[in-house]
Amino acid sequence: GENVEQHPSTLSVQEGDSAVIKCTYSDSASNYFPWYKQELGKRPQLIIDIRSNVGEKKDQRIAVTLNKTAKHFSLHITETQPEDSAVYFCAAPRGFKTIFGAGTRLFVKA
Amino acid sequence: GAGVSQSPSNKVTEKGKDVELRCDPISGHTALYWYRQRLGQGLEFLIYFQGNSAPDKSGLPSDRFSAERTGESVSTLTIQRTQQEDSAVYLCASSLGHSGGNTIYFGEGSWLTVV
Repeated sequence: GENVEQHPSTLSVQEGDSAVIKCTYSDSASNYFPWYKQELGKRPQLIIDIRSNVGEKKDQRIAVTLNKTAKHFSLHITETQPEDSAVYFCAAPRGFKTIFGAGTRLFVKA
Repeated sequence: GAGVSQSPSNKVTEKGKDVELRCDPISGHTALYWYRQRLGQGLEFLIYFQGNSAPDKSGLPSDRFSAERTGESVSTLTIQRTQQEDSAVYLCASSLGHSGGNTIYFGEGSWLTVV
């Protein structure tokens, strides 16, 4: 199909540990892969994105990796903190619109 | 403000009534989206507008849902004869062009409760 598959649906880690969330997409023409963070009761906000001409991008404790051959991309959060607790959504374009993964609920335990 | 603006922020309506939700995108953004998010769920695509092109309505769940946008300005999402399953947050978003390569910015959402 043309969905964006996201795993896991829930992730619980200890503060200071790393968290990894994975997504796969089906449209080989997709060239832009954003990640959004949604805190409870708030709007989703972009935290990092990657374009298909690079394999990895980092921004402080957050990194995204892309494997175009396998059509999957991952979000990596290192040294997790309680304020990282939120729902994370990956996304990929399908034609001219953006389709989101089902979301991963991340709990960071202090 | 410079962000995506939505109104009303909260709406409680009786089953069977019609509701209209409004979205004012970021100035200069030609692309506008509506998504639905049920409690604890993901972002369900509803409809996409790009400039003066015909909208992509492929995500509208039934003929009770419709949306309009005049040019590159505000959009309204209308739900007729509301049902309890329509209760959700309706998120509007906009981007500079089509989303392939452009960041989508979300509004705060309109929280709809059908009683």
